[in-house]
Amino acid sequence: AQSVSQHNHHVILSEAASLELGCNYSYGGTVNLFWYVQYPGQHLQLLLKYFSGDPLVKGIKGFEAEFIKSKFSFNLRKPSVQWSDTAEYFCAVIRRHSGGGADGLTFGKGTHLIIQP
Amino acid sequence: GAGVSQSPRYKVAKRGQDVALRCDPISGHVSLFWYQQALGQGPEFLTYFQNEAQLDKSGLPSDRFFAERPEGSVSTLKIQRTQQEDSAVYLCASKLKAPGQGRNEQYFGPGTRLTVT
Repeated sequence: AQSVSQHNHHVILSEAASLELGCNYSYGGTVNLFWYVQYPGQHLQLLLKYFSGDPLVKGIKGFEAEFIKSKFSFNLRKPSVQWSDTAEYFCAVIRRHSGGGADGLTFGKGTHLIIQP
Repeated sequence: GAGVSQSPRYKVAKRGQDVALRCDPISGHVSLFWYQQALGQGPEFLTYFQNEAQLDKSGLPSDRFFAERPEGSVSTLKIQRTQQEDSAVYLCASKLKAPGQGRNEQYFGPGTRLTVT
């Protein structure tokens, strides 16, 4: 079965610091990758997605992620974080079932990011 | 409405009671997903509908869990004889097309927080 690993469960940064959140996945075939964010009291929202093409993907709010196939990684980055980036961040891969098709998402356990003013 | 809605937002049930959780997807969305999110964890896939057809229910944890989407729009997740381990946030997501048809994303609702006492 596929799995998604997020290495840091809690990250605390100061404003203007650079951010990199790690994500590794286990599936060896074609992958579609996502980063979702959940701000306090709000529902999950898509930050960015990768399907194919340029492995450097730009998302909303200045976030970007790089797909490195050889490392099975899809790390999330932001050059300068803001207090408003405090949230829970989830990496996810499209779930592939035994029939070879794809349907839902397999999520990592999440990274709780706290930005201190 | 503009987004996915779920009701109730909070539900407290005594152990052994049956509960029903409702999801209203975005109008016209073909795909509908249910996820279970335990405290401190990422969402875990439960089941998937394409229109009214339940194409994958491999994530349902036991036969006490049942989902339906009879007219291809609103969906209900029912849990019979609730147990304490069922306490979690239940998330619904919808997607415009079926998997493999376009690079569209899943839109998540706010979730229903179920507490079994």
